Order: sequence, then C-alpha cells, then structure tokens
Amino acid sequence: QSVLTQPPSVSAAPGQKVTISCSGSSSNIGSNYVSWYQQLPGTAPKLFIYEDNKRPSGIPDRFSGSKSGTSATLGITGLQTGDEAAYYCGTWDGSLRAWVFGGGTEVTVL
Amino acid sequence: EVQLVQSGAEVKEAGESLKISCKGSGYIFTSYWMGWVRQMPGKGLECMGIIHPGDSDTRYSPSFEGQVSISVDKSVSTAYLQWMSLKPSDTAIYYCVLIVVVTSTNWYFDLWGRGTLLTVSS
Repeated sequence: QSVLTQPPSVSAAPGQKVTISCSGSSSNIGSNYVSWYQQLPGTAPKLFIYEDNKRPSGIPDRFSGSKSGTSATLGITGLQTGDEAAYYCGTWDGSLRAWVFGGGTEVTVL
Repeated sequence: EVQLVQSGAEVKEAGESLKISCKGSGYIFTSYWMGWVRQMPGKGLECMGIIHPGDSDTRYSPSFEGQVSISVDKSVSTAYLQWMSLKPSDTAIYYCVLIVVVTSTNWYFDLWGRGTLLTVSS
C-alpha cells in the first residue's frame, strides 16, 4: 500500500486529455513539492514534472502538473500512442522521513 | 552529456553478497546527491537511500536501513549498492539516480540510470 494514492489506470482516445491524480496527506504533498516520472515499457523512469508544475527541457507542453492541498495532478493533452506508459508521482514525507512514490498509473491510448 | 552507467545484470543465490555500481560522467560528481531506487517485478518504485559523493553523507529510507549499504568512490566517480546476504525477495531492478536537492525536503530525481536487474534464487 503506497503512501501516495494513484488510480491504477486511465485511458482515452488519441488527441483527447487525461488527468492522473496523486492523493496524499499534510505530511507529504500538503507540505512538499511533487515530481512526476514517466516509465515507458521496459525502460527506466524519466523526470517529466518537478516542483509541482515545472517541465524539464525537452518535455512537451502537452504535459502539465498542478497541486491543490494534499492532492497533485498530472495532465496530458493531445494524447499520443507514444504516451502509453506508467506515470509515478513522488515527494518527501516529513512524518516517515523518507521519499515516497505513488503506486503508478498506466495510461492507455484507445 | 550527463550519464549514469550501471553495472550489468546479476544472477545470485540466496546468502551470497553483492555490490553493484553506477558511474557518473559529464558533471561534477561530488556536487550532486545520488540515490538508488528499487522496482520489484511488476511493481512500483521505492527509494532505498541517497548519498552525497562530496562527504559520503548517507541517508537510508526506513524500510531499507540495515538491509543494504550505499557508498561512493570519488576517485572513480562511482556509487555502489551492496548486500551482505541476498534473499530471493531482493530480486528486482535497481536504478541509480542523480538527485537535484533544492532544500532538505524539496528534491527530485533528475536523471536515471538504465537499471541493474538482480535475480536471486533460493
């Protein structure tokens, strides 16, 4: 059971939008920055969003991050088949004194 | 180009010891924290611990304290993850990560190695 809760899967047709939620508590998301990672099948994860809503160089602006209270959200617009992957949220948990990840969400393009 | 190059896949038996490595290049090795992340078969990501190559300051996640050892050798720009006695439950992919630390509670994993697959048989 992960400290951060993500839906196991989301899906949408090409060109559509999906959102992935990451729910936590005041000791993690509520008080610390969230980052998001994309893991394509059979490959290492890659940083996609950091400090809640910033995109590293090279990440398309179709990807966006936001946060409100103890929940964070990753949005993907203009969905493409190449976006099919697992997406993980992560942040520091002050009570556990440890970095924590969500359980991951599989994105499927229908 | 900034790179993290990890050692190759390992197949071990329970009870054996092991040390896997991660060599950093393309940046000032002693300036950035590094860490290790575990991914068990078909499962999610778990941060095991982090280390600062400059002074070897090491922090373990509670779940991994006492189970593994993290170290660095600055002379060869390499970080290590070590087990003294492997268990079948250690079977996983282990990723080396380069960490950007903004504050003590604001950090993120900026670059990931390709991973080292460890298989431990009973």
